Amino acid sequence: SQQGEEDPQALSIQEGENATMNCSYKTSINNLQWYRQNSGRGLVHLILIRSNEREKHSGRLRVTLDTSKKSSSLLITASRAADTASYFCATDKGAQKLVFGQGTRLTINP
Amino acid sequence: DVKVTQSSRYLVKRTGEKVFLECVQDMDHENMFWYRQDPGLGLRLIYFSYDVKMKEKGDIPEGYSVSREKKERFSLILESASTNQTSMYLCASSPTGRGEKLFFGSGTQLSVL
Repeated sequence: SQQGEEDPQALSIQEGENATMNCSYKTSINNLQWYRQNSGRGLVHLILIRSNEREKHSGRLRVTLDTSKKSSSLLITASRAADTASYFCATDKGAQKLVFGQGTRLTINP
Repeated sequence: DVKVTQSSRYLVKRTGEKVFLECVQDMDHENMFWYRQDPGLGLRLIYFSYDVKMKEKGDIPEGYSVSREKKERFSLILESASTNQTSMYLCASSPTGRGEKLFFGSGTQLSVL
């Protein structure tokens, strides 16, 4: 069964705006990861946040984790056309495998 | 640069055929994974492997088997392909350790007719 659930399923914004995607999960985790997938391609790792961390930054990306609410958010600031992709959260519950959500499809309009 | 290579980008097979999907990584990773991706269902884990000759079932192993004879190569086998196995198949690898990030291949879009 899928551990993470992304929200919204689809998001369309204007270039230059900020994009926020959310991920909720059901059971306790060791860490949570975000991945990007360009259309028809493999996934690319963006950022990993551990269960004892609350916020992490990488370039224009900001990830927060609230373990009490079992949720995470991914913020992309100053969006660009190249950010158009699907974004997935993945949770590690302590096994070697990651469990992925269904993804948020982000479209950046020029 | 690290690389996970899947042998085919697109594949068309007939119902009942035996299908081999190959994946090779050049990063000396211990862990390798096979996922399938379907619209509305996200990524679902089929099988994974911690080491050579070792395999573990994922969430949807039915109708699939795997082989890992060498550390760098992880093969997914559809013993008798069916139309409901039409999907995007993604291979990934990671080094040993809890929750390490995955490196994905570009995917194989398999159509079973």
